[in-house]
Amino acid sequence: NAGVTQTPKFQVLKTGQSMTLQCAQDMNHNSMYWYRQDPGMGLRLIYYSASEGTTDKGEVPNGYNVSRLNKREFSLRLESAAPSQTSVYFCASSDPGLQGGYGYTFGSGTRLTVV
Amino acid sequence: KNQVEQSPQSLIILEGKNCTLQCNYTVSPFSNLRWYKQDTGRGPVSLTIMTFSENTKSNGRYTATLDADTKQSSLHITASQLSDSASYICVALKTSYDKVIFGPGTSLSVIP
Repeated sequence: NAGVTQTPKFQVLKTGQSMTLQCAQDMNHNSMYWYRQDPGMGLRLIYYSASEGTTDKGEVPNGYNVSRLNKREFSLRLESAAPSQTSVYFCASSDPGLQGGYGYTFGSGTRLTVV
Repeated sequence: KNQVEQSPQSLIILEGKNCTLQCNYTVSPFSNLRWYKQDTGRGPVSLTIMTFSENTKSNGRYTATLDADTKQSSLHITASQLSDSASYICVALKTSYDKVIFGPGTSLSVIP
């Protein structure tokens, strides 16, 4: 049982480049999330998907887009990367309830550097 | 403002010793509080969850306490092991389910 799988684990981008972070979960969870983690700060919600077919903005959505491809997969896209997007990105899933009321399962993270 | 504060920011203890990490939250209305353990290079993993009506919860050598009146929680680690070296994150959930607030974490290093 893999849980939540994120790819890639590491990525270096040049300013202005685009990329998509992939996330898949095999726990049949309805809700999925994308967070970013920066030094000295708590995890901040970028976007979430309460269920297949729906997505909503979180606390820091600017510069990102998401796609809930199906119940298993939730991708995060950076259209034009900026140095301020240098961070560690975590995908998470949960069920039941929204916003992790019953606990998140996190992926292992993607460390992104924008130069 | 909804926020979660944790102290200390970092802590170094000798293997076998006990330690206590603190969490203060100003989330309202409050639903539940979780403690997560995050190993270096990994995602957070849930240790405990407590609702506002619970005041203690244990998970092996980890014991969390909650005082909903003072809005404080603590995580006590007994007989620390080298594998306890990690960041410990306190997370508060609002009753309305529309907000989960993560604390910045306490970095714990257990040394031989």
